[in-house]
Amino acid sequence: DAKTTQPNSMESNEEEPVHLPCNHSTISGTDYIHWYRQLPSQGPEYVIHGLTSNVNNRMASLAIAEDRKSSTLILHRATLRDAAVYYCILSLHNQGGKLIFGQGTELSVKP
Amino acid sequence: KAGVTQTPRYLIKTRGQQVTLSCSPISGHRSVSWYQQTPGQGLQFLFEYFSETQRNKGNFPGRFSGRQFSNSRSEMNVSTLELGDSALYLCASSLGRELNTEAFFGQGTRLTVV
Repeated sequence: DAKTTQPNSMESNEEEPVHLPCNHSTISGTDYIHWYRQLPSQGPEYVIHGLTSNVNNRMASLAIAEDRKSSTLILHRATLRDAAVYYCILSLHNQGGKLIFGQGTELSVKP
Repeated sequence: KAGVTQTPRYLIKTRGQQVTLSCSPISGHRSVSWYQQTPGQGLQFLFEYFSETQRNKGNFPGRFSGRQFSNSRSEMNVSTLELGDSALYLCASSLGRELNTEAFFGQGTRLTVV
């Protein structure tokens, strides 16, 4: 199974930008990169996804390296409610799109 | 519109028993996936159903099975429960046709095996 590598934890200050890195060196050309986050006592929540180009939505931005072997989730202004575990996931084209979760990055936000 | 609904929210079973968990996807969604979450192993993919057919399967023993009905509702069954099956079981639904669709997760069923 294709794997992603993320730091175990990161810390941010409220109102500041956060860059969450992810390495996925075994990605294949048609695999999508997804980001989900999980708040305490809840199921994972979709954040953003992309294939090759950088993507923006109301929650975050996704910057994808040119060789697609890494990506960065950008939260432009962290709030206390953004404290969660963030998962970088590859959606595998040759396996019908199943999501393989890694260990994720636990983001804490300080006021 | 209503989100993904999982029932029951909490369950306590004894070793050796079997259990059935239910998942109602978002209306119009045809893909339902199941995941097991434990502190040690994290989130692990169990299986995915699309239009009543199992489309993908993770690396779990045959004691774990599932099915999907014509209305897209899904059930998963675990037979001969073991202590290690204690976990949060999460269901996710998506439109399912394309890879670039987001999955919506339910709040999960917390299963405790004693």
